[in-house]
Amino acid sequence: DTAVSQTPKYLVTQMGNDKSIKCEQNLGHDTMYWYKQDSKKFLKIMFSYNNKELIINETVPNRFSPKSPDKAHLNLHINSLELGDSAVYFCASSPYFDNEQFFGPGTRLTVL
Amino acid sequence: DAKTTQPPSMDCAEGRAANLPCNHSTISGNEYVYWYRQIHSQGPQYIIHGLKNNETNEMASLIITEDRKSSTLILPHATLRDTAVYYCIVRPVNTGGFKTIFGAGTRLFVKA
Repeated sequence: DTAVSQTPKYLVTQMGNDKSIKCEQNLGHDTMYWYKQDSKKFLKIMFSYNNKELIINETVPNRFSPKSPDKAHLNLHINSLELGDSAVYFCASSPYFDNEQFFGPGTRLTVL
Repeated sequence: DAKTTQPPSMDCAEGRAANLPCNHSTISGNEYVYWYRQIHSQGPQYIIHGLKNNETNEMASLIITEDRKSSTLILPHATLRDTAVYYCIVRPVNTGGFKTIFGAGTRLFVKA
């Protein structure tokens, strides 16, 4: 059983396109997150979200938007993709805002 | 910015204890010490966390100094599968998980 899953695992696309990455967790957690890991391997949080509150890292361009159809899903939409968006994106979840986080396997996005 | 300092890399012989140090000299009273690891091409994995007492679970032990300015993660019997980047993170509670800031971590190589 996969606790936190992401699709697709790999995504290759052209500059200017709009794309989405899906994330699902079957742990019954209330909080989900999106992280970006760049080529230097630094992990940076982008968003944290539960049913009541969305917290956005102010350095994240507004081309990125999280969308949660229900508590088990937090999808990441990216508009007008740029070369610098190439990275590995990780979804994570935790029981509440401040518990340990469980990460998905990552989605490697390559923008050409 | 990460509030921790870790050595960039360490080696350990298989079957021996791996002791990974972390300095967090500016830690505040309400901040916990968390450890995660990231095995190559996978998402980060939670290991353990603590506030001021030593902690142990099935994966590792966490030793926090009395002044809380440093800590050590101990893998009692390292295996080849423990080769990974280990991240030491300090963060306060009630921040929406937003202060889970990953630094560069320590790359642990377990050798046969």
